[in-house]
Amino acid sequence: GNSVTQMEGPVTLSEEAFLTINCTYTATGYPSLFWYVQYPGEGLQLLLKATKADDKGSNKGFEATYRKETTSFHLEKGSVQVSDSAVYFCALSDWGAQKLVFGQGTRLTINP
Amino acid sequence: EAQVTQNPRYLITVTGKKLTVTCSQNMNHEYMSWYRQDPGLGLRQIYYSMNVEVTDKGDVPEGYKVSRKEKRNFPLILESPSPNQTSLYFCASSLLGQGTEAFFGQGTRLTVV
Repeated sequence: GNSVTQMEGPVTLSEEAFLTINCTYTATGYPSLFWYVQYPGEGLQLLLKATKADDKGSNKGFEATYRKETTSFHLEKGSVQVSDSAVYFCALSDWGAQKLVFGQGTRLTINP
Repeated sequence: EAQVTQNPRYLITVTGKKLTVTCSQNMNHEYMSWYRQDPGLGLRQIYYSMNVEVTDKGDVPEGYKVSRKEKRNFPLILESPSPNQTSLYFCASSLLGQGTEAFFGQGTRLTVV
């Protein structure tokens, strides 16, 4: 079945560092890809998405590009802030099975 | 304000005592679903519903029931909770179709002792 694999966490960085969180997927067909973020004590919220190959999603300084040839959707940000501390989930939409398929999540902590 | 509302936020209960977690959305979404979040496992789908009176099992449905009598509400029912159902639960809603954004509730942290 379809699946998503994220890099293991937790990840700890200093403020203004460059961030990459790796995400690869296995899917039949052409899924849409998402990054969701979960701030402490809150539900998940959409950070960005891409619906077809080579699309780039972006929001709040974060970017990710849908790479079909490498089945990847890595999340990047050039200069992280303390407020970016959260858990990040990569996901794909598998509408053949009517659900979102999530990676295991990556906890990110940014130190001042 | 567009939102998904779950209640309660926190619940401690004993093994075997039936409970219901409510979920309501105000966006007129057709699709609603329940997930559980466990460390190292991400979110796994329990049940979903594509519209009123249409529900189906997700990946981990054992021990859970749902109903969809109205479009806005999708309660999760644990008829006889067990300790392995201790988890963080999320309700989500979205429009139908690939690529649409899912909106999540704030979560219900359930502890079964």
